[in-house]
Formats: sequence, structure tokens, C-alpha cells
Amino acid sequence: SQQGEEDPQALSIQEGENATMNCSYKTSINNLQWYRQNSGRGLVHLILIRSNEREKHSGRLRVTLDTSKKSSSLLITASRAADTASYFCATTRGGGYNKLIFGAGTRLAVHP
Amino acid sequence: GAVVSQHPSRVICKSGTSVKIECRSLDFQATTMFWYRQFPKQSLMLMATSNEGSKATYEQGVEKDKFLINHASLTLSTLTVTSAHPEDSSFYICSAREGGTGVHTGELFFGEGSRLTVL
Repeated sequence: SQQGEEDPQALSIQEGENATMNCSYKTSINNLQWYRQNSGRGLVHLILIRSNEREKHSGRLRVTLDTSKKSSSLLITASRAADTASYFCATTRGGGYNKLIFGAGTRLAVHP
Repeated sequence: GAVVSQHPSRVICKSGTSVKIECRSLDFQATTMFWYRQFPKQSLMLMATSNEGSKATYEQGVEKDKFLINHASLTLSTLTVTSAHPEDSSFYICSAREGGTGVHTGELFFGEGSRLTVL
């Protein structure tokens, strides 16, 4: 399968709460990225974490990477209704073209 | 940021016809573009890697004769769904990596997607 696992598949929270999404993958990676997709739209790049990094921050986003467990997490703090979207992790493997392979995704709903 | 344009955004066609989807990098050159397919509430599945000036590299299980890919220039890749059938109805998304040969920033820029409905 191309895809890694992500959990939860769907997450419903209230505005102001934190949202945590997890991603696991199967093979060694060069880096791991998180993307956001609004319904029926393209993807927006959120953050990239390299295989030698353990944690990265960007605004309200915090990403961790545990290469020993082949897993990553995305934390969105103080969520807003506008954060409602699907979130995907994606890994880049070696090779000439560095293909980006996506996880199953988490559908996040933030209620006002 | 860099912009990738996909056209058309929506297309409806009859079974048996062929449909062409264009993917353009508007303000950068992309020697490599990727085509993905996404079914409702599912993830993106990589279909093929489009290489400027050479044949596309298809993922396992993707029919080369069904999904024709042409990367004629550094800013344009096209996906043609030949003899489309209802099961080909899906959301097709392209992405492009900024940079010429040998330059890989790691970030891909995505088009807005093309929703194909085959009747």
C-alpha cells in the first residue's frame, strides 16, 4: 500500500481546543510533511520536518517526529473554525524524483 | 508562493470519451510533476511521475494506456483519461516541484484539482 496510517480518521472538537493528529509510516524517510486540504480543493503545505529533526513549530502548529517508531504527530493549538479541513502527512523517500506518498488523512471539524 | 494551475476544474463527459487535464506551473519551471487521484473522503494516491522530455513513470496498478501523460515543456504536463468510464470518476490533482534538474527543495506545489464525472 502507498499509504501510511493516520489516526484518528475523523476528529471533532470545539473552538479553542487543541487538535492532535498522528501519522505512522512504514519505510525509512528523508523527511515528513504535513498538508491541509479544504473540501474539494488542492493541498496546502503546512510544515516539513527532516528525518534528523524531532520537533518543529510554525505558528499554532507543532510537529514531532519519532523515526524509531516511524511516527509523527501534528498538534494544532487553540483551534479555530477555519481550521476545519483534512490533514495529511506525506513522506518523501529516496530516489531520483523524491516521490511524495500520502497517509490516509484525518478529517478535522472545529465547531464554533 | 509558487502557483500551479489546473484546467479544467470540473468536467463531465460521456462514457467512452477521452478527457484531457492540464497542469501548469505559472511562475516557475518544473522538470518533474506528479499526478494524484483522490476518491471521496480518501487520501491521494500517486498515479505517475511526469518527467519533462521523457516518458512518465507509472505506479504499480496504474494503466499506462488508460492514463496518458505528456510533459511537453518545463511548465506543462497533461493527463488524458482515455475511453473514460464511470469508475474513472474522481478528483485528479497535479503537483509540481520547483527547481530545474538536480534542485529539489522538498516542497511540492499543488493544483486546485480537477473533478471528473463520467456519465
